[in-house]
Amino acid sequence: GAVVSQHPSWVICKSGTSVKIECRSLDFQATTMFWYRQFPKQSLMLMATSNEGSKATYEQGVEKDKFLINHASLTLSTLTVTSAHPEDSSFYICSARDPRQEVTGELFFGEGSRLTVL
Amino acid sequence: AQSVTQLDSQVPVFEEAPVELRCNYSSSVSVYLFWYVQYPNQGLQLLLKYLSGSTLVKGINGFEAEFNKSQTSFHLRKPSVHISDTAEYFCAVTLMNTGFQKLVFGTGTRLLVSP
Repeated sequence: GAVVSQHPSWVICKSGTSVKIECRSLDFQATTMFWYRQFPKQSLMLMATSNEGSKATYEQGVEKDKFLINHASLTLSTLTVTSAHPEDSSFYICSARDPRQEVTGELFFGEGSRLTVL
Repeated sequence: AQSVTQLDSQVPVFEEAPVELRCNYSSSVSVYLFWYVQYPNQGLQLLLKYLSGSTLVKGINGFEAEFNKSQTSFHLRKPSVHISDTAEYFCAVTLMNTGFQKLVFGTGTRLLVSP
């Protein structure tokens, strides 16, 4: 099956610093990846849709300059939280569709990255 | 716009008892339906999905769900739960006519299985 991997799983940083989270599709090429944010005991909220070779599409209310998304290759998308503050602490999850299974609409998820900003 | 409602935020159940997690959706067009499971500090894993055909769908780990178009429901069931089934369960929908651009999730139901 399709495998999506995220790195790092855990990251702790000081307020004001930037943090980069990587999302890789390991056995397929993903033209589109999705970034979600999940607060404790809540559902996943779509932040943005990352398209290979073009700008990401952000959901309403998500700051583009705060959450920088780069999808430079068909197997890698990165989310950079710039000038992180404690309120940015959350669980960030990426996902992707396997083009070989496009007709189902199913998403494959990474393991998630927990960001704690001190 | 479509929406997904999971009425129960938490469902406590004893081991080996049956369980049903409820999911209702709202959409003006046909949808594809999914159930995902999330274990602590992990991503989501697909349990099962309904695309077309038989309304009773069987998934992994002994779970099944039934699509009811008239009631716009897609409830998840398991006849006998295990301690290891303790997790967060998310129902999700995607529109069939949008090129699957978005997967919309419900708020989740935490299943707590106790001995």
